[in-house]
Amino acid sequence: AQSVTQLDSQVPVFEEAPVELRCNYSSSVSVYLFWYVQYPNQGLQLLLKYLSGSTLVKGINGFEAEINKSQTSFHLRKPSVHISDTAEYFCAVTRNMLTFGGGTRLMVKP
Amino acid sequence: ETGVTQSPTHLIKTRGQQVTLRCSSQSGHNTVSWYQQALGQGPQFIFQYYREEENGRGNFPPRFSGLQFPNYSSELNVNALELDDSALYLCASSLVGSDGYTFGSGTRLTVV
Repeated sequence: AQSVTQLDSQVPVFEEAPVELRCNYSSSVSVYLFWYVQYPNQGLQLLLKYLSGSTLVKGINGFEAEINKSQTSFHLRKPSVHISDTAEYFCAVTRNMLTFGGGTRLMVKP
Repeated sequence: ETGVTQSPTHLIKTRGQQVTLRCSSQSGHNTVSWYQQALGQGPQFIFQYYREEENGRGNFPPRFSGLQFPNYSSELNVNALELDDSALYLCASSLVGSDGYTFGSGTRLTVV
């Protein structure tokens, strides 16, 4: 079985500040890891994915994530956020089907 | 390449009715999966279709059923609608054995 826990339901941050959205996962086998973003009234857009290899993964819009297999974490980071980054972010894990966390609402304030 | 298209975008149904949601896969993709996203929650896996057969199912009752057609498009059917079925329903297509999922914009179902 696989599961995903997003540790923060909401993260408020000021514009141009750094941000980290936390994600822990559990799985009895090796899995692929993803971060998706969802803007209001829209579907899911892939930010980045980890399949294998380097523990640091770079994605779109300046986001990156680092997998820590000993702590089973896959936290998402951005060094400087913009107002337009305000959205819901979902961490997901897959072996044969996607399992999502509950989401983290990133609120960027001016 | 075309993306994933879902129809309709919004739908209002009465408790006890039946509903059919539709999804057109991205070109080149042969697998379709459906997710239910209740307000304020993450998407929950309903089921997946490959070669017109269900090949994975989440924790949803049998009144949730689906079809996949030879052109890889898909339908999600829900019978005997309940108020808790109100949610955003997302469709995702992929190529079996790959790691890429493309999501549609979803169908917002409201049950009153």
